[in-house]
This record gives sequence, C-alpha cells and structure tokens, in this order.
Amino acid sequence: GQNIDQPTEMTATEGAIVQINCTYQTSGFNGLFWYQQHAGEAPTFLSYNVLDGLEEKGRFSSFLSRSKGYSYLLLKELQMKDSASYLCAASDSNYQLIWGAGTKLIIKP
Amino acid sequence: GAVVSQHPSWVICKSGTSVKIECRSLDFQATTMFWYRQFPKQSLMLMATSNEGSKATYEQGVEKDKFLINHASLTLSTLTVTSAHPEDSSFYICSASGRTSEGTEAFFGQGTRLTVV
Repeated sequence: GQNIDQPTEMTATEGAIVQINCTYQTSGFNGLFWYQQHAGEAPTFLSYNVLDGLEEKGRFSSFLSRSKGYSYLLLKELQMKDSASYLCAASDSNYQLIWGAGTKLIIKP
Repeated sequence: GAVVSQHPSWVICKSGTSVKIECRSLDFQATTMFWYRQFPKQSLMLMATSNEGSKATYEQGVEKDKFLINHASLTLSTLTVTSAHPEDSSFYICSASGRTSEGTEAFFGQGTRLTVV
C-alpha cells in the first residue's frame, strides 16, 4: 500500500531549529512536496524535491533520500508565525499526491 | 510561484441546493487537478483526481453523483456539490499540478468554506 508517516506534533522554541521528518512508501515516485498550513487556511507550497539532496530556500530547507524513502523539512531561526501544520506529500507514478496527516508545530517564546 | 484561483472563498447555501466551486490555474497548464475536503482539525482528504479531458477518478467512499467534477480545459476544473446537506459543510480545496519553469509543481487554491444550512 501507499502511505506517508510524519510526527503528529512537535514543539520548538523561538529562534531555534526544528527538523520535521517524513517517510513514504508509494507506487512509483515523482517527487515529494512540503506544505505549510495555518489553521483555517489552504496549504501553502514550501518545497518540491525529486532528486536526492538538500534544497535550501531562506530559513526553510528540504532534504530527500529516495533510496531510504525519507525526507525532512528543516526550519531555522524559528519565528512565532511558523506555528502551523506542515504537510508532507509524495507524488506517485500517476502524479497523484499521497498525503501525510500533517505535523502540528508549536513554537514557544 | 504559479497562481491557482479558487472561487468562491466561502458560500452559504440551503439544504437541497447545488453549489459549484471553480478552480483556475492562471499562469500554467494544469494537467491534473486534485480536489480535497478538510474537516476541522483533520488532515486534507483527497476526494478525486482529474486529468484534463478525462473523467475524474474518485477516492473510495466519495459519491461521484454527488460531487461532480469537470476538468474540461487545462486551466479550469469545477466541483459541484449536488443536493447539499449540512454534513457536506466543510473546507474544499483544489490543487492544480503541471509543469512550470521550475519543473513539476502543485499549487493550491485558496479554498472554499461551504456551509449548508
């Protein structure tokens, strides 16, 4: 079957660094997406990885290991506004997105 | 990034009526459109996937006669909730996937909050 696993909830301190992990199993693979979702709003695209390695975009970085079926989202210099749910989604052979349940990130002062 | 416009942002309708939600990709060709539903405090739930010019593929448990999806062009998909009932009240989100200058990407619409009274 196809599934995505990510932690349900994480807590971090303002100014710190947090890593949100995601493991996936899909029929074929056409990339992995990370989205940020604030309560009551639609998800916002953060990153897309299809090749192994680290992609950096400002305070956010995303890493992919295709051989391990593993990705992580790294958030640096955390700000209170980063409190949100972070969704991991893998694209399968049909380009269908398989979604994780999301990781609720709580930032404390 | 590319823009996906979803309309309306919110709608209130009477029980038994139908509601149409539009999803447009404004600056890229969306070969695939995804429709999701999200209940409060729950994850996104994929309802159906549609490729341009083809019938939508519905997820198990989603009534295709109740949630009509049309993807007639590479820039427009619509979801019609027919004979809406209060239990259909939810946040509906579309996502358009296609190739952009950055590669294959997927972008979400703003979402539509449907309230059936």
